[in-house]
Amino acid sequence: DARVTQTPRHKVTEMGQEVTMRCQPILGHNTVFWYRQTMMQGLELLAYFRNRAPLDDSGMPKDRFSAEMPDATLATLKIQPSEPRDSAVYFCASGFGPVSGESEKLFFGSGTQLSVL
Amino acid sequence: QKEVEQDPGPLSVPEGAIVSLNCTYSNSAFQYFMWYRQYSRKGPELLMYTYSSGNKEDGRFTAQVDKSSKYISLFIRDSQPSDSATYLCAMSPYNFNKFYFGSGTKLNVKP
Repeated sequence: DARVTQTPRHKVTEMGQEVTMRCQPILGHNTVFWYRQTMMQGLELLAYFRNRAPLDDSGMPKDRFSAEMPDATLATLKIQPSEPRDSAVYFCASGFGPVSGESEKLFFGSGTQLSVL
Repeated sequence: QKEVEQDPGPLSVPEGAIVSLNCTYSNSAFQYFMWYRQYSRKGPELLMYTYSSGNKEDGRFTAQVDKSSKYISLFIRDSQPSDSATYLCAMSPYNFNKFYFGSGTKLNVKP
């Protein structure tokens, strides 16, 4: 049963610390999205990769957030330094590219619940 | 103003009721319309998707799109307690470069 795997599931850290979240997309998917979900804002797009290349990271605070795909099986989202306002659930989602005929299907991981104290 | 607006609810209905969930949008470039269901402490999962205007039915679920009014709906017939979840609408232009999500409507179906 193919699924998107995110680690860690939960992270509690202190303000100023570095946080790294990892995502393993479904094998064969070439698009990866990072979303942040809060009660107030809902799902916000942070970054988007296609074929490992970053296509859009306009939703990401550039001074503290960074997203990378070192290889096709791993996407990372890093926050340095973390702040209490970063507390949220961070989701990774993967899918096929726009010419696949299944472009509308996004598959989400279970998320990383981040609490910054 | 957000590009996709969705009433957050919560919406509470008795088991067996017909549920209507709705979203409005402002961007006429949106071509693909999707509904995701999210259970507590889980990621969203795709429930239904449709292209352009019209209706699409899948079991107890019907998705409806009215592009002229920029309005989409999800109907759930014979609602069950297991349908209790947050429902998010999502939209995308033809190139799928971005998926725009509504804030989600929390649904509670009471036994």
